Amino acid sequence: AQSVAQPEDQVNVAEGNPLTVKCTYSVSGNPYLFWYVQYPNRGLQFLLKYITGDNLVKGSYGFEAEFNKSQTSFHLKKPSALVSDSALYFCAVRGQGGGGNKLTFGTGTQLKVEL
Amino acid sequence: KAGVTQTPRYLIKTRGQQVTLSCSPISGHRSVSWYQQTPGQGLQFLFEYFSETQRNKGNFPGRFSGRQFSNSRSEMNVSTLELGDSALYLCASQGGAYEQYFGPGTRLTVT
Repeated sequence: AQSVAQPEDQVNVAEGNPLTVKCTYSVSGNPYLFWYVQYPNRGLQFLLKYITGDNLVKGSYGFEAEFNKSQTSFHLKKPSALVSDSALYFCAVRGQGGGGNKLTFGTGTQLKVEL
Repeated sequence: KAGVTQTPRYLIKTRGQQVTLSCSPISGHRSVSWYQQTPGQGLQFLFEYFSETQRNKGNFPGRFSGRQFSNSRSEMNVSTLELGDSALYLCASQGGAYEQYFGPGTRLTVT
């Protein structure tokens, strides 16, 4: 079975400060890892993914994430937060074995960026 | 390319009725997955279709079913609606890359 934990329901950060949204995962074998963002009354928007290779992956809108295999973590980061980054962020995992494209999501972290 | 489209965007149904939701994936994408999003349970996987075949199924009762057509468009059906079926239903399509692209969702309210 695969699972994702997002330990923080909400993260508050001041505009211009760095932000981190935490994610840990559990999966059999090697993982495919993803971050998505959801704005109110909208679907999920893809931000970035880790498939293999470099542990630091860069994505849309200045976001990046660091894959740490020993800690089974995939934290989302941004060097300088914007008010417009305020949204609900989801981490998701899928195993690299066969069996289709089922994603398992964390419970989501509400990011609030204040002036 | 046009994104994933879902129709209708909003639905209000009564307990005991059935409902059909539609999803058109990104052109060329053959995999379509469905997810249910609720405040209490979060995002839960319903099922995935690939080339008209169900490839994966989540832990939902048999009242939830789906199908995929030869043009990759997909429908999901919920029969004998219950109040707890009120949710945002999200469709996602995937092509040759690893990530899924989501539609705007259908907001179903059961009264």
